[in-house]
Amino acid sequence: AQSVTQPDIHITVSEGASLELRCNYSYGATPYLFWYVQSPGQGLQLLLKYFSGDTLVQGIKGFEAEFKRSQSSFNLRKPSVHWSDAAEYFCAVGVDSSYKLIFGSGTRLLVRP
Amino acid sequence: EPEVTQTPSHQVTQMGQEVILRCVPISNHLYFYWYRQILGQKVEFLVSFYNNEISEKSEIFDDQFSVERPDGSNFTLKIRSTKLEDSAMYFCASSETPNGVGEQYFGPGTRLTVT
Repeated sequence: AQSVTQPDIHITVSEGASLELRCNYSYGATPYLFWYVQSPGQGLQLLLKYFSGDTLVQGIKGFEAEFKRSQSSFNLRKPSVHWSDAAEYFCAVGVDSSYKLIFGSGTRLLVRP
Repeated sequence: EPEVTQTPSHQVTQMGQEVILRCVPISNHLYFYWYRQILGQKVEFLVSFYNNEISEKSEIFDDQFSVERPDGSNFTLKIRSTKLEDSAMYFCASSETPNGVGEQYFGPGTRLTVT
């Protein structure tokens, strides 16, 4: 069965510092990979997605993610974090044989002024 | 920009009551989904719906749950007899193409509180 692991429950960074949120997946073939962000009391907003092709994908709000097949990872990065980036970030996996998205448990990002 | 909308934003109900959560998917989307997120836990898939029938459902989606597209715009989730453990945020989503190819757009959610 497919699964998604986000090993960091909380991450705190200073405003202006770089950020990397980790995501590992378990699936036999290449999955479809997504990062969503959830601000407090809000729904899920898609940051970026990977379907195929270039393994480095750009998203909204200055985020990017890199698919590494050898490590089964899809880590999210941002070179300079803004206070407004404080939110919960979810990695998700989709596969051809299913309609559902499988979500990781999320990483809560706190930004220090 | 088109978006998925959900009503109500918050619903409080007593155990054993029926609730209907409503969603208006993006107009040209053909695939519809419900997910739930119990407080502090991960987002979990409940059901997907296409061409007026359920295309996939999870173990959570038992006989007390049902979905319907009563008209050309609404998509509803009904819980027949609510339990305390049904308290969660329920998200509706829609996509233009099936998962794996099309990204899913999520609504803001309905917070269901069962007392």
